[in-house]
Amino acid sequence: AQSVTQPDIHITVSEGASLELRCNYSYGATPYLFWYVQSPGQGLQLLLKYFSGDTLVQGIKGFEAEFKRSQSSFNLRKPSVHWSDAAEYFCAVASRTGGGNKLTFGTGTQLKVEL
Amino acid sequence: DAGITQSPRHKVTETGTPVTLRCHQTENHRYMYWYRQDPGHGLRLIHYSYGVKDTDKGEVSDGYSVSRSKTEDFLLTLESATSSQTSVYFCAISESTSGGGYGYTFGSGTRLTVV
Repeated sequence: AQSVTQPDIHITVSEGASLELRCNYSYGATPYLFWYVQSPGQGLQLLLKYFSGDTLVQGIKGFEAEFKRSQSSFNLRKPSVHWSDAAEYFCAVASRTGGGNKLTFGTGTQLKVEL
Repeated sequence: DAGITQSPRHKVTETGTPVTLRCHQTENHRYMYWYRQDPGHGLRLIHYSYGVKDTDKGEVSDGYSVSRSKTEDFLLTLESATSSQTSVYFCAISESTSGGGYGYTFGSGTRLTVV
């Protein structure tokens, strides 16, 4: 079964500093990978996704993520964090073998931005 | 997102009562999902649907049932609500075909409290 691990429950960074959120997945082959962001009281918004091809993917709001097959990782990065980036971030994996394209989510990383 | 709405947005109910949550989409997407979100657990799949009258269980389906009589509506029913079902419930839709990976669009969530 597929699974996702986000080892950091909380991360605090200063505004303007760089950010990296970790995500490790478990899956038998190359999966579909996603990062979502959730602001308080809101639903989830897709930041970026990896399907195939270039292992460095660009997303919205200046975020990027790199797929590393050898490390089973899909870490999210941003060069300079803004106060509005404070939110909860979820990594997710989906099977390529159909069956409803079910997403499995990690437990999330809460990002706090210090001004 | 405008293409998916959940109702109600908030509900308080008593233990032992039946509760139905509604998800409505205007995107004509084939796949629809119900997740619950709890602190420390991320989002966990309850049930999903891959077409009208075609549904299947997710990882936390006990105590829940679903129905999909029309493409646009996916109902989640708690047959007899328990306090452990206090949660935030999210509906999601996907345009993915079998084996695809387009990601989901999420509704704004329903906050359910069982007292």
